[in-house]
Amino acid sequence: NAGVMQNPRHLVRRRGQEARLRCSPMKGHSHVYWYRQLPEEGLKFMVYLQKENIIDESGMPKERFSAEFPKEGPSILRIQQVVRGDSAAYFCASSPFVADTQYFGPGTRLTVL
Amino acid sequence: DAKTTQPNSMESNEEEPVHLPCNHSTISGTDYIHWYRQLPSQGPEYVIHGLTSNVNNRMASLAIAEDRKSSTLILHRATLRDAAVYYCIRHGGGGGSQGNLIFGKGTKLSVKP
Repeated sequence: NAGVMQNPRHLVRRRGQEARLRCSPMKGHSHVYWYRQLPEEGLKFMVYLQKENIIDESGMPKERFSAEFPKEGPSILRIQQVVRGDSAAYFCASSPFVADTQYFGPGTRLTVL
Repeated sequence: DAKTTQPNSMESNEEEPVHLPCNHSTISGTDYIHWYRQLPSQGPEYVIHGLTSNVNNRMASLAIAEDRKSSTLILHRATLRDAAVYYCIRHGGGGGSQGNLIFGKGTKLSVKP
């Protein structure tokens, strides 16, 4: 059973460009969570989705950030008009049920030049 | 607010047991205690979790105080590969919004050969 997959593993963008981060949850998992880890800091929750629905986006910045988890295909975290402060590692996790053990992907390291 | 307290760092010698403490004095009756760890440049990895009874798995043991206000993660024989940041997290009914994990600063474990 493949684990949580994220791509790309590394992404470089110039200021003002868009970044799209993809996450494929473990097979059978319908709950997806996105976390951000700024350099030298801890992980912060961003958004929780369950197939086609955003359940909790209390950790998402109000502007430029959006997330989706369509019926078919991976979950996408989209950052529009990136700024240097968006440089971070973005981790996706999935679980079979809410409040269950979460399994993390290897992360996408975003660098904004 | 992670609502758990852990030492910032600990050191251990290889092949010796390690006891990582965590205080969660305000834990609710429905919160599980989860432990994750994050190796350098990797995503968090689930270690173990429990509610009231002590738990064992192939990675570690979890000892939970009778009043549930503290717990201890036990690595029976530390290896160099166990060097990581260990996070103690309350998770469940009262630990996070709709299932997301709230990471604190964790304990950075160093293992000396």
